Order: sequence, then C-alpha cells, then structure tokens
Amino acid sequence: DTEVTQTPKHLVMGMTNKKSLKCEQHMGHRAMYWYKQKAKKPPELMFVYSYEKLSINESVPSRFSPECPNSSLLNLHLHALQPEDSALYLCASRLAGNTDTQYFGPGTRLTVL
Amino acid sequence: QKEVEQDPGPLSVPEGAIVSLNCTYSNSAFQYFMWYRQYSRKGPELLMYTYSSGNKEDGRFTAQVDKSSKYISLFIRDSQPSDSATYLCATSRVGGDMRFGAGTRLTVKP
Repeated sequence: DTEVTQTPKHLVMGMTNKKSLKCEQHMGHRAMYWYKQKAKKPPELMFVYSYEKLSINESVPSRFSPECPNSSLLNLHLHALQPEDSALYLCASRLAGNTDTQYFGPGTRLTVL
Repeated sequence: QKEVEQDPGPLSVPEGAIVSLNCTYSNSAFQYFMWYRQYSRKGPELLMYTYSSGNKEDGRFTAQVDKSSKYISLFIRDSQPSDSATYLCATSRVGGDMRFGAGTRLTVKP
C-alpha cells in the first residue's frame, strides 16, 4: 500500500477564516512533507517533518502553521490567507533512510476569496 | 542556474509514437532520480525510480540516467492517449530533499 490520503479535496475560504488541511499515511514513513503547487508549475517545498519534528521550513509565511501529531498524521493550519495562496497543496511521505522516494497524496485544491 | 532543467513543452505526439522526455541537473551529489506523472488537478504519481547511473525498464517505460553528463531520460514506447499528462523529473541527494524539474506537458493524440 503506497497511499497517502488528504482531506478535504477542495476548500474555499475567506481571508479571515481558519481552516486545516489533513494528511495521513500508514506506510510507516517517518518523513512527511507539505508542498504548494501553482498551475503549470512544479511543487514547491514548504515544510519537512522527520520523526515528527519539523526539520525544514522553507521561509513559509506564519499564516501557514504545520503540525505533526503522530507518525501517521500531518496537518497544515491556515489563518488569514491571501488570494495568492490559492493553489494545490500536496502532502508527501518518505521512508526515512537511504530510500528517497516520496509518495504524494492527491492534494487539496485551496481557493482563497 | 536551476538545479534541475526540464523543457516544459508542450509536447504533442500521435498515438503509438515513442516519447522521449529529458532533464539535466547541475549537482553531482544527486544520487536518486525519479519520474512522476501528474494528471490535471491530481497529485504526482511516482512512475520510475532509479539510483545512480543505468537503465530501468517497467512495461512501456524506460528510465535512463547518465551521471557523467548529468542527463536523465524517460522513454515511453507505444504511447497511448492515457499517457497524456505532465511528467516531472526529480533528483535528490542521500537524505536530501527532492529538486523538481519544471515538468513537461505531454499530449498523445488518438
């Protein structure tokens, strides 16, 4: 099973709303990622969690707040977003160690009004 | 200079054609090479994965890595309309994060 699940599939929110994106994997992967992807562009790395600890924050604005409650779950809390934050938000996971293949979820398509 | 260069296309071929997709990279420390296929409005799907130089074949797909020239390729034989998607190459160092190419949009016409 190489499945990463993400909810919701679609999200529309206003600039004053607070919402959360969720990601789950049961492959025993110990590294989990959040990416942002704009149309016709490759994914851009936002955050990396390794063994449930934040290891990389690619200078992401504080209106995006990641959380890793346990080794299977990854959340992305959203607050006071801007219309330019509208994008496909992808979660990925990787088996920590020398195997560097990341498996992606289907993404959450976010629209900020 | 971007770490991974990939022609974004678009590339259009007739059904049954052999498709060649290519990327170049700049960091000789990259050891892992991946190809992802992404359909419109979906997440990237891992298609091929190779470690270091060499070829890897999986059905109609063949991935090639030439570390001496820092060149990676994906060949699709007997292309089908269902192969129409964006193909992203990606590389990484051991324990490092992935670097993506821009993605090539492929259309296979019936």
